[in-house]
Amino acid sequence: EDQVTQSPEALRLQEGESSSLNCSYTVSGLRGLFWYRQDPGKGPEFLFTLYSAGEEKEKERLKATLTKKESFLHITAPKPEDSATYLCAVRGNTDKLIFGTGTRLQVFP
Amino acid sequence: GAVVSQHPSWVICKSGTSVKIECRSLDFQATTMFWYRQFPKQSLMLMATSNEGSKATYEQGVEKDKFLINHASLTLSTLTVTSAHPEDSSFYICSARLGTGILWETQYFGPGTRLLVL
Repeated sequence: EDQVTQSPEALRLQEGESSSLNCSYTVSGLRGLFWYRQDPGKGPEFLFTLYSAGEEKEKERLKATLTKKESFLHITAPKPEDSATYLCAVRGNTDKLIFGTGTRLQVFP
Repeated sequence: GAVVSQHPSWVICKSGTSVKIECRSLDFQATTMFWYRQFPKQSLMLMATSNEGSKATYEQGVEKDKFLINHASLTLSTLTVTSAHPEDSSFYICSARLGTGILWETQYFGPGTRLLVL
């Protein structure tokens, strides 16, 4: 059964304090691993798609990496506006995304 | 690019009435659209998958007669909650995907619709 586990559940950072969010997964035939950002009361905002182990993608202060078992979302020198819930999802051989429960990030000035 | 809209963003209705939610892909044609439900502080739960011109595929436990999905065009899908009851109150989110195959897998999400049934 396809499964996604995210850790930690919640993370509090001081502004400028870099950290990483983890997404561990098991899936039959990975067809993509996706990172989304979700603000309260809004739909998920697309961040990255990773397709194969070793792949990395960057956007501003965020960098996503992928191995055969997990993905990391690295946040460098975060700002308060980076506060949100970060969702990880995988697509395997079934035609649907399997989501993790998310990491709730709070960045304090 | 890849913008998805939903309407309405908020709806309050009386128990027993039906509510229609629209999902539109604004700048691309979506072969497949998805409908999710999200409860407070929980992740997204897939309700159904719809392909343009075909009947929707519902996830186990989702009543297809209660949650009617129509995907009449490549840019529009609608979800109708029939005879809504308070337990149907939730945050409903749609997503759209360009196609299938490598580089086309990403789903783009709408802003969500908050439904409150009194």
